[in-house]
Amino acid sequence: SYVLTQPPSVSVAPGKTAILTCGGYNIATQSVHWYQQKPGQAPVLVIYYDNERPSGSPERFSGSKSGNTATLTISRVEAGDEADYFCQVWDTSSEHPFVFGSGTKVTVL
Amino acid sequence: EVQLVESGGGLVQPGGSLTISCAASGFTFNSHWMHWVRQAPGKGLVWVAHSNSDGSSTSYADSVKGRFSISRDNAKNTLYLQMNSLRVDDTAVYHCARDQIQLFDLWGQGTLVTVSS
Repeated sequence: SYVLTQPPSVSVAPGKTAILTCGGYNIATQSVHWYQQKPGQAPVLVIYYDNERPSGSPERFSGSKSGNTATLTISRVEAGDEADYFCQVWDTSSEHPFVFGSGTKVTVL
Repeated sequence: EVQLVESGGGLVQPGGSLTISCAASGFTFNSHWMHWVRQAPGKGLVWVAHSNSDGSSTSYADSVKGRFSISRDNAKNTLYLQMNSLRVDDTAVYHCARDQIQLFDLWGQGTLVTVSS
């Protein structure tokens, strides 16, 4: 089955840029979606189809991908961005195609 | 307001059964596929089950196949997950989520199911 790998944690100072990675075999051929989850809350879609922002998602959030890595970039980080972030793909080669990464905890210093 | 609200979680003994619910509001429920996704304490998200818009087609993760059953009542705008033969490793927050072609565009806050003796 398809595996997505995310670093467990990333720390960033306010106003700086956080770069979150999501590794998967040939992920450049997949559509990648990103969710933000704050403690005790529901996940929220922040980027879909690699680099599209849903209504309500700040412009500071952007996505990209190349080769075996997808990236979520959070510019001008704010305290309110502290959360867990999960990447997800829809792997058509799998019987059960919804695959999530293990998540990255973003800590704002 | 567009939202999903889960309910029905609780403490159940291993081997027991529980049915959880997800009430949808603010959108046309019967137009959407729906899913259950669970999250064990301190862990990541894992897809559990899906139902198409009228409930005629469902699928399950291998870990719950034969034990869990997803259903929906479109007249009540409610999604259900019946869980039988529960195991300790089924302990998790269960979220319902709305499908939007390959992704989930709306999630509920979840309901905690604890399987323990």
